[in-house]
Amino acid sequence: DAGVTQSPTHLIKTRGQQVTLRCSPKSGHDTVSWYQQALGQGPQFIFQYYEEEERQRGNFPDRFSGHQFPNYSSELNVNALLLGDSALYLCASSYRDILAGVIDTQYFGPGTRLTVL
Amino acid sequence: AQSVTQLGSHVSVSEGALVLLRCNYSSSVPPYLFWYVQYPNQGLQLLLKYTSAATLVKGINGFEAEFKKSETSFHLTKPSAHMSDAAEYFCADGGYNKLIFGAGTRLAVHP
Repeated sequence: DAGVTQSPTHLIKTRGQQVTLRCSPKSGHDTVSWYQQALGQGPQFIFQYYEEEERQRGNFPDRFSGHQFPNYSSELNVNALLLGDSALYLCASSYRDILAGVIDTQYFGPGTRLTVL
Repeated sequence: AQSVTQLGSHVSVSEGALVLLRCNYSSSVPPYLFWYVQYPNQGLQLLLKYTSAATLVKGINGFEAEFKKSETSFHLTKPSAHMSDAAEYFCADGGYNKLIFGAGTRLAVHP
């Protein structure tokens, strides 16, 4: 059973460009969350997708957008890149327990290292 | 506001010594608490989780954590450190269906 996969592994962009990161969840998971981890810091929540809709959003500008596909995979898009967007971007997948109203444990992918020059 | 505080950004222990990594949470809802480990240039691996079933939680690689509501703490321990335990450890609160992480504690293990 494959775990959470992310692509690409590394990416180098210049300021002002746009980037798309991809994530495939674990089998059986229907919820995808994205996190940004700057160097030397803990991950920060960007947003969460379930049933192809953004369900929660952290304190990130509109330059950060996402999408979830019918097969539960997800994309993170960042427009007008800034130097400060350089970070490890982590995708986490989980299963949403509708009756309990909570999502189960989040499992993380290996991340995409984005460098903005 | 929901927050997680990890006391000590760096902890250094000798191989075979007790490991104690501290975590305090601040949440207005029953917390779902987690410890994750991150090895260099890798993603996060789940060590253990607390979901109210038991206050003492056992995880992988000999780690365990105790939930203490009165102290709003969820400290991570391991009786005997191994060289392979050297990594970054993150405590997180998932009480609002999103993970709020602490700043992390880097554990160094020396011979």
